Amino acid sequence: GEDVEQSLFLSVREGDSSVINCTYTDSSSTYLYWYKQEPGAGLQLLTYIFSNMDMKQDQRLTVLLNKKDKHLSLRIADTQTGDSAIYFCASRNAGKLIFGQGTTLQVKP
Amino acid sequence: DAMVIQNPRYQVTQFGKPVTLSCSQTLNHNVMYWYQQKSSQAPKLLFHYYDKDFNNEADTPDNFQSRRPNTSFCFLDIRSPGLGDAAMYLCATSSVGFGRKATNEKLFFGSGTQLSVL
Repeated sequence: GEDVEQSLFLSVREGDSSVINCTYTDSSSTYLYWYKQEPGAGLQLLTYIFSNMDMKQDQRLTVLLNKKDKHLSLRIADTQTGDSAIYFCASRNAGKLIFGQGTTLQVKP
Repeated sequence: DAMVIQNPRYQVTQFGKPVTLSCSQTLNHNVMYWYQQKSSQAPKLLFHYYDKDFNNEADTPDNFQSRRPNTSFCFLDIRSPGLGDAAMYLCATSSVGFGRKATNEKLFFGSGTQLSVL
C-alpha cells in the first residue's frame, strides 16, 4: 500500500531555515499536504500542493515537489521558537489521506 | 472559536470496560473521521462518515465502532479496550466528498482525546 516516510528529528537555531523532507510511494497521489501538530493538540493544516505543481510559496513556507523522485519538502524561512512542533507530510490518493510518521522540529534560541 | 471539539481531553478506562469518545463540530461539514495516533507514529484512519454513510477501514478492529446521530456529532465506541488501544484519538472533519473524486480536501482536526487503559 501507499507509504509516506519522513526523517524523525530536525534541530535548527532560531533565525535559520528549516527543511523537512518527505518521500511517498504512490505516483498517483493528487494532493500533498503539510500538517503541524503542537504538543497535546490536533493537527493543523499548514499548506498543500497539487501534484502538477513543483513549488508553492506561502509567506515563510515553501513547498517543493519532485514528482519524478516522489520527494516533497517543506522549507520554513527564519525559523522561530514557535515553529517547534511535529510536522506531518500527507498524501491524498484513492480518496484517503496517508500520513508520514512526523518530523519533530526543535528550534534552539 | 473551537470548530472541532473533542471531549474529554483525557480519558482513563479500565481494561475491558467500554468507553465512548465524543466529537462535535460547528463547521457543518458532511464528512467526519476518526484517527488513532500512537506515540511517535502517524495518525491512522479508523473510519469515516460521509453524511450518514459509514466507511470502515479494512484493518480497523471490530472492537471499534462509531455512531453519527446527526451532522454535528460523532462518537467513537471502544467495546472492550485493551492495553494496545491506549493512544490519542483524533476527530477530523471536511466538506468535500471523501473518495468521491480527486479534490483538494482539507481536514480540520480537533485537539484529540488521550486514552489511557489501566
